[in-house]
Amino acid sequence: DTGVSQDPRHKITKRGQNVTFRCDPISEHNRLYWYRQTLGQGPEFLTYFQNEAQLEKSRLLSDRFSAERPKGSFSTLEIQRTEQGDSAMYLCASSLAGTSESSSYNEQFFGPGTRLTVL
Amino acid sequence: AQSVSQHNHHVILSEAASLELGCNYSYGGTVNLFWYVQYPGQHLQLLLKYFSGDPLVKGIKGFEAEFIKSKFSFNLRKPSVQWSDTAEYFCAVKVRGGGKLIFGQGTELSVKP
Repeated sequence: DTGVSQDPRHKITKRGQNVTFRCDPISEHNRLYWYRQTLGQGPEFLTYFQNEAQLEKSRLLSDRFSAERPKGSFSTLEIQRTEQGDSAMYLCASSLAGTSESSSYNEQFFGPGTRLTVL
Repeated sequence: AQSVSQHNHHVILSEAASLELGCNYSYGGTVNLFWYVQYPGQHLQLLLKYFSGDPLVKGIKGFEAEFIKSKFSFNLRKPSVQWSDTAEYFCAVKVRGGGKLIFGQGTELSVKP
């Protein structure tokens, strides 16, 4: 399978614990995105990288959230001191990016998500 | 700030009925537009996309969407739905030159056999 993969698929944690999620993008994709989705809502943008550089962060991404993509391949999203409000599906997507705005670029492919439950 | 609005939260149809799901966005500049689908237990998949050119775009599984710039709309249509179209449908917008997708809240479609 050469799609976007995420690990773990499910995570249950107690309030106050730290959690880390991993995303492996499609291998030739240079952009990687993180979104959060809660029940009954569409995905909300958190942050994205182009290669190693974090290009944009949402105001949703509080100081307890940090994302990295150290070698421009996989990415990790860490949540420190989890709160019950952090319970959600965390989605990762990847895309090609270039100077062209053609449809072969910028189309985002999504992974299966990591479902986080904070007790 | 940009936003996307989907008019219907839950739509229930019988097989063979026609479908139209509304999507409006707020942004005055150039955008790319997408419809994603999420079947039960599966991840988000791209249904169709508009980047430029013909405002009527065709996607997979017989879906199509029309971009009406003057109305800031990108409605999804299918002439005859099937039970297998039961899923959640999300409209999304990307500002030209930007990276992130801005999603609507989704429309749950239930098709009765």
